Parts: sequence; structure tokens; C-alpha cells
Amino acid sequence: QKEVEQNSGPLSVPEGAIASLNCTYSDRVSQSFFWYRQYSGKSPELIMSIYSNGDKEDGRFTAQLNKASQYVSLLIRDSQPSDSATYLCAVNTHGQNFVFGPGTRLSVLP
Amino acid sequence: SAVISQKPSRDICQRGTSLTIQCQVDSQVTMMFWYRQQPGQSLTLIATANQGSEATYESGFVIDKFPISRPNLTFSTLTVSNMSPEDSSIYLCSVVPGTGKAFFGQGTRLTVV
Repeated sequence: QKEVEQNSGPLSVPEGAIASLNCTYSDRVSQSFFWYRQYSGKSPELIMSIYSNGDKEDGRFTAQLNKASQYVSLLIRDSQPSDSATYLCAVNTHGQNFVFGPGTRLSVLP
Repeated sequence: SAVISQKPSRDICQRGTSLTIQCQVDSQVTMMFWYRQQPGQSLTLIATANQGSEATYESGFVIDKFPISRPNLTFSTLTVSNMSPEDSSIYLCSVVPGTGKAFFGQGTRLTVV
């Protein structure tokens, strides 16, 4: 059973702070890793993808991958109230099948 | 990326009836995926729709309850049959184009009364 785990939250951070979201996965052969943002009542929106160990930065977002530890994280710098959403970690082992984590609810307080 | 048009966006249905959800993609894709997202939960894969063959259902989901059509490479439907209040959920279609990233339709919010 392939599993992706995340803290459900809510994670509350003040505006301007760094939000750190974590994800672990069980399938060691997983190859592709994604972070999706889902606003309440909306469908998931892709914000980051990462495929190799290390950091990948895109604007205020940084994804970090450690395959040895089977760990993926997302850092959001200078958090804004508009970042308040549920963040889903997704893992793709092969082909087109994705496994999604339960999501972490982030609340950025003004 | 891929643009997916999903409809209806929401519906309120009587128990015992059926609802068909449609997804139209702006490009040809081999597989289309149907997910259910219950309130406060993550995405659960219902089935994978392949053009020209039977859909592949995940454990706990059966064709009689969730029949799927895939008449061509840009379109698919999911029917929720003989609905009960437990079927109240958000239903999402998804595709994974050549980029290897998953994209979603807008979702269908279903309420069964």
C-alpha cells in the first residue's frame, strides 16, 4: 500500500513568516513529487514539482526533496493571507498514477 | 499544461437517482482519472478511464455504481448511480499530459438529499 503522509494542521503562521509544510512517502521507488494548493471549494492547483534531491525554488516557494529519508517539504517565504489554503503532497511512482496525501491546512494570520 | 472543462459544477440530487458528470480536455490524452474528495479529506482515485477499453476501478469502487465512458481521447463521463447521501462529495476529473504533471477539472460538488 503506497502511502503519503502529512500533518493535517491547521498550521498557523503570521503574515510575513515562513510556512514549512512536510510530507513523507512510503514507496522508495517514487520518482516525481508535487505540491498542490487547494482553496476551499476549488480544485487542486499545481504549484511545485521536484524530481531530484535538493532544493528547487520558484518565487516565494521552495520545494525540498530527500529521497534517502523519503521526505518532501514545501517552504513558503513571506507568507500572505492569500496563501491560506490546503496543501496537498502528491507522489508519482511510475506512469500516470498519483498518490495524494491528506493535505495540510495552512492559515496565514494578518 | 491542460485545460479541463468539467460540468456540472454542482448539483443537488434526490436519493435513488443518477448524475452524469462530463469532462472535456483541450488536448488528446491517453488516460483520464476520476477522483472523489469527501469533506475535509484528500483525493481518492475512483477509476482510470482508457480510450477504447474498459475503465480500471480501484478497490472499493465498482462499475455498476460508477459507470464510466471514454468515447474519444478528449472526453469522459462518470455516472454516480442510485445515489445515497453517502455519495455527497466533490468529484474531480484529472489528466496527466506529456509533462507528467496532473491537472484537474473544476470539480463537481454533489449533494444527495
